[in-house]
Amino acid sequence: DPKIIQKPKYLVAVTGSEKILICEQYLGHNAMYWYRQSAKKPLEFMFSYSYQKLMDNQTASSRFQPQSSKKNHLDLQITALKPDDSATYFCASSQQLGGRSAETLYFGSGTRLTVL
Amino acid sequence: QEKVQQSPESLIVPEGAMVSLNCSFSDSASQSIWWYQQHPGKGPKALISIFSNGNKKEGRLTVYLNRASLHVSLHIKDSQPSDSAVYLCAVSYVGDNSKLIWGLGTSLVVNP
Repeated sequence: DPKIIQKPKYLVAVTGSEKILICEQYLGHNAMYWYRQSAKKPLEFMFSYSYQKLMDNQTASSRFQPQSSKKNHLDLQITALKPDDSATYFCASSQQLGGRSAETLYFGSGTRLTVL
Repeated sequence: QEKVQQSPESLIVPEGAMVSLNCSFSDSASQSIWWYQQHPGKGPKALISIFSNGNKKEGRLTVYLNRASLHVSLHIKDSQPSDSAVYLCAVSYVGDNSKLIWGLGTSLVVNP
């Protein structure tokens, strides 16, 4: 059984629209993250949350807004979608936010977003 | 800006071969180095990590870290077709362990 559930698996959107990517983790972890993977680019860190609190934001655009309604949920709202936003978005979690040493990250299977 | 570079880009080997994957990083202030495996349509899965200079072995995997040369390698012994995947190197840095810097990966195909 997958321990980190991402919905939907595939998403097609039109330019200018808004979408929400869903992530739920059932590992009992306290830290959650969003990463983005685009073609020919390395996996890119976007956000980290610890105990439902935003800890780090490395996205340059305010069009990307994480939302944590419950401890094990971290959704990603993307507004005013652009074709450049096309990528696979991965949710991840770890027991704690990295302290003296980095924690093992556990990833979901991703949401593949295509913006036309 | 920290950078992580992996080589080769792709590799095709016969079943049972020893596989060697390389990763170079740009900053000696790195903390831990991780290797993740990613199958098509799936998220990355952690395989092994190393912090101290030297080597670490887990099952068929051995990782070697040389901080002086800013280089880490992953060796897979007795490779299996199920090992076919993309292998990602990721580095965490002092003061920012929550954020990993990733390489582009090495695509491995193990032919039966």
